[in-house]
Amino acid sequence: QVHLQESGPGLVKPSQTLSLTCSVSDDSLNSGRYFWSWIRQPAGKRLEWLGRIYTSGSVTYNPSLESRITISLDTSKRQFSLKLNSLTAADTAFYYCARDRDGRGYFDPWGQGTLVSVSP
Amino acid sequence: DIQMTQSPSSVSASIGDRVTITCRASQSIGNALAWYQQKPGKAPKLLIYGASSLQSGVPSRFSGSGSGTDFTLTVSSLKPEDFATYYCQQAKTFPITFGQGTRLEIK
Repeated sequence: QVHLQESGPGLVKPSQTLSLTCSVSDDSLNSGRYFWSWIRQPAGKRLEWLGRIYTSGSVTYNPSLESRITISLDTSKRQFSLKLNSLTAADTAFYYCARDRDGRGYFDPWGQGTLVSVSP
Repeated sequence: DIQMTQSPSSVSASIGDRVTITCRASQSIGNALAWYQQKPGKAPKLLIYGASSLQSGVPSRFSGSGSGTDFTLTVSSLKPEDFATYYCQQAKTFPITFGQGTRLEIK
């Protein structure tokens, strides 16, 4: 069973860039069968889909973040990454990576999540 | 963006009860809907996809129905481990969007 694990800083200053990495436990990142997404959840609020990447490197972003977000992947390391710039307090949230089965937009499994706080 | 609205926002129920949660989309999404369960401090878990297909390993007491704009998640006989927050999610168009969640509490 594949496992996903997020890693990155827990605290970032306003206006800086957040960099998170998701490590995938098997070779499915390179299989061409899945899409790979980032999703976040501010405390007590609904989930927000940020964007996704396919094995080919093709990306789709949430238009609300399109000017600030970059998702990339490194199949040799079994990792995909999120960069979000120009951070504000509104970006404080739990950040999850997740696998999108068949590209249909259903997420399973998810990583355990990592809390990112944006604060001076 | 497609807006997803769940009702109720919270519900109290007892072990063994049957519970139904509703999700409404702001426009038709066919059957492109998923349901997730989230427990405190944990990531969401996929329960239902394609509006009514049960994810592998999910107990059969969970079921989903609906199409177009109106959907339901039903738990036929509540067990203690079912008390959690449930989210619907549309997968019809980008950006993918989620409902605000329904908290299922023990009465």
